[in-house]
Amino acid sequence: DTAVSQTPKYLVTQMGNDKSIKCEQNLGHDTMYWYKQDSKKFLKIMFSYNNKELIINETVPNRFSPKSPDKAHLNLHINSLELGDSAVYFCASSHGGQGAEEQYFGPGTRLTVT
Amino acid sequence: AQSVAQPEDQVNVAEGNPLTVKCTYSVSGNPYLFWYVQYPNRGLQFLLKYITGDNLVKGSYGFEAEFNKSQTSFHLKKPSALVSDSALYFCAVRDISMGRRALTFGSGTRLQVQP
Repeated sequence: DTAVSQTPKYLVTQMGNDKSIKCEQNLGHDTMYWYKQDSKKFLKIMFSYNNKELIINETVPNRFSPKSPDKAHLNLHINSLELGDSAVYFCASSHGGQGAEEQYFGPGTRLTVT
Repeated sequence: AQSVAQPEDQVNVAEGNPLTVKCTYSVSGNPYLFWYVQYPNRGLQFLLKYITGDNLVKGSYGFEAEFNKSQTSFHLKKPSALVSDSALYFCAVRDISMGRRALTFGSGTRLQVQP
């Protein structure tokens, strides 16, 4: 009965490859997020979707493309992977996208680009 | 613009002693403030938030935080630390006057509670 789940948990790939990370939440939330946590544990928002609509798109290379097929899912596709993409990627969800609500985080996907 | 600072990379405290993890923020308008905790190899977990009202906010696991508008601070506190409180703590802020914007997280403070 995991609230926010991500697959895969670990992803090791070579530079130049394309990969996807999947996220699903069963909390009935209408807003989902992708965050990147670097090796120094600094956490930064990448994208946010509310009811399948993109509402936050921070300065992220256009090699990163989120897709939200429905309110419960938010996937992240990354093209032409680079060494600097190595990080832990967290998915999160919340009820409402106005900013006062707490977010529920998934366990993270550790991406290693070699 | 919105920003948040956690001035201490690490805080060490003995079990049973009170703990404080510091956070200061900068916003143009009024803030929403949050504390999250991250255990090793896990996602962040929500601890508490300040939206409006009472400046002293109580949260999970016995933690509390005090909103101080004049000092633009939102320090996390607990009267008696447990070894199991050892983790990475993040403060986050959102400026409610800025429309739909993301949370900005601090750089994190590692809390180490010694037995």
